[in-house]
Amino acid sequence: DTEVTQTPKHLVMGMTNKKSLKCEQHMGHRAMYWYKQKAKKPPELMFVYSYEKLSINESVPSRFSPECPNSSLLNLHLHALQPEDSALYLCASSFVSGANVLTFGAGSRLTVL
Amino acid sequence: KQEVTQIPAALSVPEGENLVLNCSFTDSAIYNLQWFRQDPGKGLTSLLLIQSSQREQTSGRLNASLDKSSGRSTLYIAASQPGDSATYLCAVRGDRGSTLGRLYFGRGTQLTVWP
Repeated sequence: DTEVTQTPKHLVMGMTNKKSLKCEQHMGHRAMYWYKQKAKKPPELMFVYSYEKLSINESVPSRFSPECPNSSLLNLHLHALQPEDSALYLCASSFVSGANVLTFGAGSRLTVL
Repeated sequence: KQEVTQIPAALSVPEGENLVLNCSFTDSAIYNLQWFRQDPGKGLTSLLLIQSSQREQTSGRLNASLDKSSGRSTLYIAASQPGDSATYLCAVRGDRGSTLGRLYFGRGTQLTVWP
């Protein structure tokens, strides 16, 4: 298995909703990442997990809450989002060494009404 | 802070042409450089990874070079096809201090290859 699987592919939510994005990989990667991408912009790093511990938080608002329950899963819990949070959310994984390639998922398209 | 620039921002060519996409970065302290392809509304597909100690990598019709000291990389696409139409992103991975573990992206080159 050489894929990163993200669910759901599309999500529409109101500003008072609580929802979660999920990411799964079975490549033995111990580093997992969340990126946010707005239209026609490059991806922006949000969080990095290394060996299931949060190693980088790019000053992301607390309405985004990451969770790494085990080495194969990465969640992003969403609560009280704003319309400007609408974007493509990309998950990626890699071996922990900085020399390794990142493998990206297909993304979850989030729309906040 | 690492800055990555890609030129041109957009490129439209007829099928069959050989293409060069350019990427430059300001901080040469990198682990590696990765070229990605992104189709509209989709995720990123890794095309080539060049380690900081390497000069180039090849995969099929794609060839990527890296000149770390001058902070430049090029992606060469031979005999372009309409299926090559996509946005091509260059990203560098920091190797020290606050850049460690981070992937810095350029804004991409939007390529259109017409029949």
